[in-house]
Amino acid sequence: AQRVTQPEKLLSVFKGAPVELKCNYSYSGSPELFWYVQYSRQRLQLLLRHISRESIKGFTADLNKGETSFHLKKPFAQEEDSAMYYCALSGLSGGYQKVTFGTGTKLQVIP
Amino acid sequence: GAGVSQSPRYKVAKRGQDVALRCDPISGHVSLFWYQQALGQGPEFLTYFQNEAQLDKSGLPSDRFFAERPEGSVSTLKIQRTQQEDSAVYLCASNGKGGYANTGELFFGEGSRLTVL
Repeated sequence: AQRVTQPEKLLSVFKGAPVELKCNYSYSGSPELFWYVQYSRQRLQLLLRHISRESIKGFTADLNKGETSFHLKKPFAQEEDSAMYYCALSGLSGGYQKVTFGTGTKLQVIP
Repeated sequence: GAGVSQSPRYKVAKRGQDVALRCDPISGHVSLFWYQQALGQGPEFLTYFQNEAQLDKSGLPSDRFFAERPEGSVSTLKIQRTQQEDSAVYLCASNGKGGYANTGELFFGEGSRLTVL
């Protein structure tokens, strides 16, 4: 079974402050981890994936297998970062890569 | 179109009615997922298709839920005898690869919001 946990429903930060959105996972195999974002009145879209190890819109995330975590970080929050963020895990299940999502964290950046 | 298209965008049903939700994935995409997203929750897996084959329907909450993708492109999620607890946004997502080659990068539609009165 695969599970993704996002402990915070809401995270409010001031503009310019650092952001860390927490994500923990449970999976017995080798997972692929992702962050998806949903801006107001837009569809859910991929933000970044752990295998790319790249920074998207200033966000980074490092997979920590020891702590089974994949926290999303940004050093300086911008107002346009306000959105819903979902952590997702892709793991082999019954011959295909099943994608499981966390419950999401709403990031609110206060001007 | 270039993206995943879902219809209707909004559906209001009386309890007990049957509803059908349509998903038109990106052309050529092999994999198609349906998710249910209740208010304040994340997307919950319902079912997965690889082409026309329904490989996983373990997430369907009851036998009132049925999904099909007969020609390996358009998919329909049908809910029979709707109940209030079925009220949610139903999301469809697709990607180009299937089976072991499938990755977690999904392309989502805008969703169909179902309200059962």
